[in-house]
Amino acid sequence: EIVLTQSPGTLSLSPGERATLSCRASQSVSSSYLAWYQQKPGQAPRLLIYGASSRATGIPDRFSGSGSGTDFTLTISRLEPEDFAVYYCQQYGSSPFTFGLGTKVDIK
Amino acid sequence: QLQLQESGPGLVKPSDTLSLTCTVSGGSISSSDYYWGWIRQPPGKGLEWIGSIFYSGSTYYNPSLKSRVTISVDTSKNQFSLKLSSVTAADTAVYYCAKHNVGGTFDYWGQGTLVTVSS
Repeated sequence: EIVLTQSPGTLSLSPGERATLSCRASQSVSSSYLAWYQQKPGQAPRLLIYGASSRATGIPDRFSGSGSGTDFTLTISRLEPEDFAVYYCQQYGSSPFTFGLGTKVDIK
Repeated sequence: QLQLQESGPGLVKPSDTLSLTCTVSGGSISSSDYYWGWIRQPPGKGLEWIGSIFYSGSTYYNPSLKSRVTISVDTSKNQFSLKLSSVTAADTAVYYCAKHNVGGTFDYWGQGTLVTVSS
């Protein structure tokens, strides 16, 4: 199974700042089948990015994804108040689907 | 707008079987474009994919849980279900049902239901 390691565990930033989140896979993720999700307290995760860099429907363009192979990045260009949440990466290139442990973006 | 809703007991005794149902509304479960899956999240922890099912009944499971999991579908009711046997406290989690495309990204989720395993 592919293990996803997310870093940092917590990112403390102010509104308007840029957030850079990392997801590293234990082996290459085929066809860049890597997704990112946002989860707020008490809510289900929401799909942000699929295919490493494609935004899901309705996702603002301040969210962008990049990377390939084993190293992937989610960037939030300018943090809005509603962006403070936990972010998970997920690989779906091979079974079982696996998720990282998450990066919490909190207000500095 | 597609909606998913989990239902089932919130408390299960150790060694018993956990049973949950997901009701899909606003769309048909009998689509050849989608799979229907279960994901769980222990309190304060990360996400774990449990398994998925196609409307035809074809399933695939996480090997870590495969020996204890059964997922089934009832197209007449637009529902799919999860059974997890021989539960322990480690199975305490919020259980989500979700839709995913053939590729594997989960784009519609239920609100989740907390299942506690305790005597």
